[in-house]
Amino acid sequence: SAVISQKPSRDICQRGTSLTIQCQVDSQVTMMFWYRQQPGQSLTLIATANQGSEATYESGFVIDKFPISRPNLTFSTLTVSNMSPEDSSIYLCSVRGGADNEQFFGPGTRLTVL
Amino acid sequence: AQSVTQLDSQVPVFEEAPVELRCNYSSSVSVYLFWYVQYPNQGLQLLLKYLSGSTLVKGINGFEAEFNKSQTSFHLRKPSVHISDTAEYFCAVSDNQGGKLIFGQGTELSVKP
Repeated sequence: SAVISQKPSRDICQRGTSLTIQCQVDSQVTMMFWYRQQPGQSLTLIATANQGSEATYESGFVIDKFPISRPNLTFSTLTVSNMSPEDSSIYLCSVRGGADNEQFFGPGTRLTVL
Repeated sequence: AQSVTQLDSQVPVFEEAPVELRCNYSSSVSVYLFWYVQYPNQGLQLLLKYLSGSTLVKGINGFEAEFNKSQTSFHLRKPSVHISDTAEYFCAVSDNQGGKLIFGQGTELSVKP
């Protein structure tokens, strides 16, 4: 299994500012994913981040709003830019790994935008 | 394209009663199927998964699920629930080649004494 940590665990931010969320994995992984879970909703994939290439964004998400870095095989960041109250969500980092290629999730970052 | 439908948004049950959480999927290729649990204010934890082989899959905490290809279903069951099973349950699907998971809308299981 993979152990994933995220920083910060939660934050309260002002409208118009940006927040960078960090994701650290205890082993090297090729594929990392960023999800958003809006209040009372399911998880929606924002983008897939592979080391050494540009992140691939899902429909409805753009790089200008959610820039992602993937500098090595154990780390990634997601920035939520120019935030509005609609960005209030839990943001989760996820990786695939293990013998069965299953997906593991970090504890999430709970973001509130005022 | 793949999709997942969880037919019940909320399932209230009494303690020690059996429960079934329903999940149907749509895919044009072979799939991996998963159930995740999310306890209040916590991240997602894998309950069980179907990759191949036996269609009856047993997971943690006494849960099991059965893959039914003809009905494109992967329902989650537990014969006797506990108060501690109160949580949100998500069904998810991924294809054999790609890495991303597609999640259902979630089912809130509420176990009452």
